[in-house]
Amino acid sequence: NAGVTQTPKFRVLKTGQSMTLLCAQDMNHEYMYWYRQDPGMGLRLIHYSVGEGTTAKGEVPDGYNVSRLKKQNFLLGLESAAPSQTSVYFCASNWASGGALTYEQYFGPGTRLTVT
Amino acid sequence: GENVEQHPSTLSVQEGDSAVIKCTYSDSASNYFPWYKQELGKRPQLIIDIRSNVGEKKDQRIAVTLNKTAKHFSLHITETQPEDSAVYFCAASYPGLGGGSQGNLIFGKGTKLSVKP
Repeated sequence: NAGVTQTPKFRVLKTGQSMTLLCAQDMNHEYMYWYRQDPGMGLRLIHYSVGEGTTAKGEVPDGYNVSRLKKQNFLLGLESAAPSQTSVYFCASNWASGGALTYEQYFGPGTRLTVT
Repeated sequence: GENVEQHPSTLSVQEGDSAVIKCTYSDSASNYFPWYKQELGKRPQLIIDIRSNVGEKKDQRIAVTLNKTAKHFSLHITETQPEDSAVYFCAASYPGLGGGSQGNLIFGKGTKLSVKP
């Protein structure tokens, strides 16, 4: 049981390049989230999904797109990276339908992205 | 708008002393208040949480109190140890933001706790 995993762990991009971050969970969770963490800013929600095939915007969605084609995977895309997107990105998941009622979000290990 | 204020931003205590971190939230509909601990370079991990129908919850050296009227909640760590050194984040659920019945979380900006041996 790996929990929540993220790929890649580190990445350096040049301005204007694109990339996709992958989040995978093996806990049968319905909900998945993408956050960014910047120094002194806490965690801010980018996009989230309440089930396979559904996505919605969070606090800071501009410049990002997401997809949830499979229940266990949640992809975060940057179409044209900007230096302002330099950050640590965390994926999280929760809410296993049919299981014990819990709101706890389980976080992945993070992806450190630098855009030059 | 939706907001969670967290204080202090840094806290330094001697080993064995108590530490208290305070948060306030803005939406009276918030019903879930977790606290996360994040060690350097690691992922945030839940240490304790409280629902709006409970005023206090304890787990060994850690306790959380909730005052719904004042819209604030606090984390109390007693008998602090060097391994308690980390950044602590509070969060509050905001049902109006979507994300299911409990709503999505808004996080505070974090408190860096240093416990000196």
